[in-house]
Amino acid sequence: GENVEQHPSTLSVQEGDSAVIKCTYSDSASNYFPWYKQELGKRPQLIIDIRSNVGEKKDQRIAVTLNKTAKHFSLHITETQPEDSAVYFCAALYGNKLVFGAGTILRVKS
Amino acid sequence: GAGVSQTPSNKVTEKGKYVELRCDPISGHTALYWYRQSLGQGPEFLIYFQGTGAADDSGLPNDRFFAVRPEGSVSTLKIQRTERGDSAVYLCASSLTGSNEQFFGPGTRLTVL
Repeated sequence: GENVEQHPSTLSVQEGDSAVIKCTYSDSASNYFPWYKQELGKRPQLIIDIRSNVGEKKDQRIAVTLNKTAKHFSLHITETQPEDSAVYFCAALYGNKLVFGAGTILRVKS
Repeated sequence: GAGVSQTPSNKVTEKGKYVELRCDPISGHTALYWYRQSLGQGPEFLIYFQGTGAADDSGLPNDRFFAVRPEGSVSTLKIQRTERGDSAVYLCASSLTGSNEQFFGPGTRLTVL
């Protein structure tokens, strides 16, 4: 079935350190994998995405890697800042719908 | 330009009542999606519109839920005989035809007492 697993559920890092969040998906037909950042009481914001024809994509301090063989993808945030604190969701596109992971609460301690 | 907007931002109702939630997508976005987000969880897909038609309604939990998009722009999610378990944040998203990128609205927080 359509499933996305996300780990860890919570992550605390010191300001300036890196943070890594990992997701696995079940359907090899999925070809689009976005990451959303959601602050408390706010809408999910698309921060980066990757399509299945590439293995890595970077945008300033954030990067996403994709391993299609293993069906997993990861979000990497370098030089974390307090404003990076939020809930992060990975997702995989199945047909036209996004199936989301359960989320990771990231806390950046200053 | 303006993003996806949703009204009301909060809705409190009593068990058994009928509610309507509205979504205004980004202008020109032909695809529209409804998701439901319970506390501490990721959004869960409800229904997808391409233009005026519901192309995929496989996520609607039961026949108390219905959505329309009569003119291919604004959409309304309708919930009949609300139950306490319907309490959640209802999110709307839209995207351009041919694009996978979905942009979310701020959501409507529904509380059923």
